[in-house]
Amino acid sequence: DIVMTQSPDSLAVSLGERATINCKSSQSVLYSSNNKNYLAWYQQKPGQPPKLLIYWASTRESGVPDRFSGSGSGTDFTLTISSLQAEDVAVYYCQQYYSTPPEMYTFGQGTKLEIK
Amino acid sequence: QVQLQESGPGLVKPSQTLSLTCTVSGGSISSGGYYWSWIRQHPGKGLEWIGYIYYSGSTYYNPSLKSRVTISVDTSKNQFSLKLSSVTAADTAVYYCARDPPGIDAFDIWGQGTMVTVSS
Repeated sequence: DIVMTQSPDSLAVSLGERATINCKSSQSVLYSSNNKNYLAWYQQKPGQPPKLLIYWASTRESGVPDRFSGSGSGTDFTLTISSLQAEDVAVYYCQQYYSTPPEMYTFGQGTKLEIK
Repeated sequence: QVQLQESGPGLVKPSQTLSLTCTVSGGSISSGGYYWSWIRQHPGKGLEWIGYIYYSGSTYYNPSLKSRVTISVDTSKNQFSLKLSSVTAADTAVYYCARDPPGIDAFDIWGQGTMVTVSS
């Protein structure tokens, strides 16, 4: 089974500062056939479903502020919030898709982001 | 725009079958080549993908739950459903339905989620 490991588990950042969350996959999620990394990032606020922020490791979903960016390839990925806003307080999850049987979507354990 | 809404009992007895339905509004479940998934979140925990169905009826399940899961689709009602058999307290969770657009393999639209408690 593919395991997604996020670090840190929790993070406190001052308003206006940069926040960085890491995600490591136990297997590569880069597909050589199309050179895409099937890695997504979500934001979840209390009492709400997750919201898709980034897919293909670095493609921002429509309507997501450009302070959110994703990077990485293969097994190591990063979500960066360039200038933290109060409304960014949430839990962030990475998610991978693996098509080789058994086909699976697997999430990281989550990173809780708070204001310092 | 497309919206998803879960419905079903909030309380299920141990050993019984959990049954939930996701109603798709604002678009057809049969168009666009989307995959329709169920995902759950244990209280205070992370997210676990349960399985998906394509409008044609083809399915794929998380191997860890495969023996107990059935996902079906009713295109006439624009709904898809989850059945999870032989439930235990470990199946207590918020259950979400979600849409996966073709080629993205991520979930762009989610229902609000429904809490299901397994208890006698």
